[in-house]
Amino acid sequence: DAKTTQPTSMDCAEGRAANLPCNHSTISGNEYVYWYRQIHSQGPQYIIHGLKNNETNEMASLIITEDRKSSTLILPHATLRDTAVYYCIVRVNAGGTSYGKLTFGQGTILTVHP
Amino acid sequence: DTEVTQTPKHLVMGMTNKKSLKCEQHMGHRAMYWYKQKAKKPPELMFVYSYEKLSINESVPSRFSPECPNSSLLNLHLHALQPEDSALYLCASSQEFDRGRRGDGYTFGSGTRLTVV
Repeated sequence: DAKTTQPTSMDCAEGRAANLPCNHSTISGNEYVYWYRQIHSQGPQYIIHGLKNNETNEMASLIITEDRKSSTLILPHATLRDTAVYYCIVRVNAGGTSYGKLTFGQGTILTVHP
Repeated sequence: DTEVTQTPKHLVMGMTNKKSLKCEQHMGHRAMYWYKQKAKKPPELMFVYSYEKLSINESVPSRFSPECPNSSLLNLHLHALQPEDSALYLCASSQEFDRGRRGDGYTFGSGTRLTVV
C-alpha cells in the first residue's frame, strides 16, 4: 500500500471547518483513499473513502486532487467531540471495490477547542 | 447489530498466566482481524482471518495464539507474555478480506486494555 504523510497535529475552533490534509504522492491507480478516526480509548471509526471524485457523507467531505497525489478531509462544523486522531490510509481497489490490509500511519491529532 | 464486541475491556495478567481475549460480531462479516496498539502509536496489524482460516500472521510471537471457532467469533490466547506486550488489543471485522465488496470498510471494537505485570 502507498505511504501517506499527514501533519502531526492541528487545532480548530469549535463551529469552524476542520481541513485535514494528506499526501499520498505514490498512490497507484488501484488504490482508494480511506479516512478513519480514533477518539481516545476507543477503536478506530470509519469516516469516508474515495477513489478520484469528491465524496460527502453525513460525517465529512473528502476532496481528492485531480492527480490523486493528495486529499483533504473536511469536517464542516467541528465540535469538541471531533477531537481525535485522524488517519489517512490508501488501500487496494479492484473492480470498483476495495479490500486487503488496513495499515495505519501516524495520523493527525486534531484538537477542537471552545 | 452493527457492532464488534470485545471482552474483557480490561485485563491484568502475570507473566506466567494464560488468558484469552474474545471478539464477537453478528454482521455476517467473513474477515476478522487482531490489531495491537501501544500508547500514542497507530494500531498495528497482527492477524487476519478470512472465512475462518488464518490468512495473515504479521510475524507475531508464538505467545500470541489466535483462534477463529466460527464465523462470528475470534479469540486471542495469551501465554507467557512480557510487560512490553501491555497494550490495547483491537478486534475488527469486514465483509471480505481478499475479494472486493462495495463499501468494505472495517468495523472496530473498543478494545481490551491489557497490562502484563
